[in-house]
Amino acid sequence: AQSVTQLDSQVPVFEEAPVELRCNYSSSVSVYLFWYVQYPNQGLQLLLKYLSGSTLVKGINGFEAEFNKSQTSFHLRKPSVHISDTAEYFCAVNQAGTALIFGKGTTLSVSS
Amino acid sequence: EAGVAQSPRYKIIEKRQSVAFWCNPISGHATLYWYQQILGQGPKLLIQFQNNGVVDDSQLPKDRFSAERLKGVDSTLKIQPAKLEDSAVYLCASSWAGGGAYEQYFGPGTRLTVT
Repeated sequence: AQSVTQLDSQVPVFEEAPVELRCNYSSSVSVYLFWYVQYPNQGLQLLLKYLSGSTLVKGINGFEAEFNKSQTSFHLRKPSVHISDTAEYFCAVNQAGTALIFGKGTTLSVSS
Repeated sequence: EAGVAQSPRYKIIEKRQSVAFWCNPISGHATLYWYQQILGQGPKLLIQFQNNGVVDDSQLPKDRFSAERLKGVDSTLKIQPAKLEDSAVYLCASSWAGGGAYEQYFGPGTRLTVT
């Protein structure tokens, strides 16, 4: 069975500051890794995904994530955040043929 | 390309009443998922369909929840009777095929409040 732990429930930052949202996962088999963003009263939108290959993955809106197999982590980063990045962020994993398993989410609050 | 459609967007019912949610996936997507997202938590799978067959319903409370996907397109999720703890957002997602590298596209969700 797999599980996902998002280490920070809330992350407050100022506009134009860098941010890192942390995600650890547990699995006895190889998994695919995802980050989704959820804006208020909306569904989830895929930011980026790691399937295989390069451990540094670039996504939409300037976000990137690094897969670290030895530490079973998949942390999300952005060098300079905007007010519009304020949202809920979810880390998720799955295997081929199965549904996503999500973490509890991290609320990113960007203020000016 | 039209996204995943869900209706209604909001629903308020009293406990012990019944309710139904509808989902229309992206055209051509064979796999459809229903997730339950309780406030403050990540979405949790309720049921996964591949075409009109059930792939995984291990976390569906079958004594009160039911779902169907007739003709392998639209899907309906029903709760009867509803309990207070069913208050949540119900998300529908679809993908070209099951799991793995295929991206899941999410609808806007239905927010259910049970009073």
